[in-house]
Amino acid sequence: QKEVEQNSGPLSVPEGAIASLNCTYSDRGSQSFFWYRQYSGKSPELIMFIYSNGDKEDGRFTAQLNKASQYVSLLIRDSQPSDSATYLCAVIPGALNFGKGTSLLVTP
Amino acid sequence: DGGITQSPKYLFRKEGQNVTLSCEQNLNHDAMYWYRQDPGQGLRLIYYSQIVNDFQKGDIAEGYSVSREKKESFPLTVTSAQKNPTAFYLCASSMGVAEQYFGPGTRLTVT
Repeated sequence: QKEVEQNSGPLSVPEGAIASLNCTYSDRGSQSFFWYRQYSGKSPELIMFIYSNGDKEDGRFTAQLNKASQYVSLLIRDSQPSDSATYLCAVIPGALNFGKGTSLLVTP
Repeated sequence: DGGITQSPKYLFRKEGQNVTLSCEQNLNHDAMYWYRQDPGQGLRLIYYSQIVNDFQKGDIAEGYSVSREKKESFPLTVTSAQKNPTAFYLCASSMGVAEQYFGPGTRLTVT
């Protein structure tokens, strides 16, 4: 069973701070990594994907991948209350394998 | 306006009845997927299809069936054999093995 692990949280950060979300995976053959945001009662929304080791930045979001250590992280700079959601990490190969998600709460 | 649609948004059924959830996409994606999400849980893969007229079981296929007669459509039937059918059902699609895009979901309640 390919496993994707995330701390369930909640992770609480004050408005304006950096939120750091982490994900580890078990399959060393994994090639593609995705971060989804899911608001309560809604479907997941793709916010970042990364394929290569290193950092990938998109606006306030930075995805970091370290294949040797088998982890991928998501940094959210200048966190806003609207960022409060559950963040799902997902990994390929095969169909996407999802972690259970980390709940993020940004407090004003 | 491209996207994935799921209907209905909410569905109520009596125990012992089969029910079919609709999923349609106009993104010209080859692959389509069905997931189930329970409260506080991640997404679990039920079935996926990478091409018309072909589909594979996911991790929790028992009690479910699918068909893929058209590229745009991938309906899911929840049969009476599914022991705990009440859940949030999500359909997704992708161009090959790549990032997936989700529909709005169908919340099924069986009593």
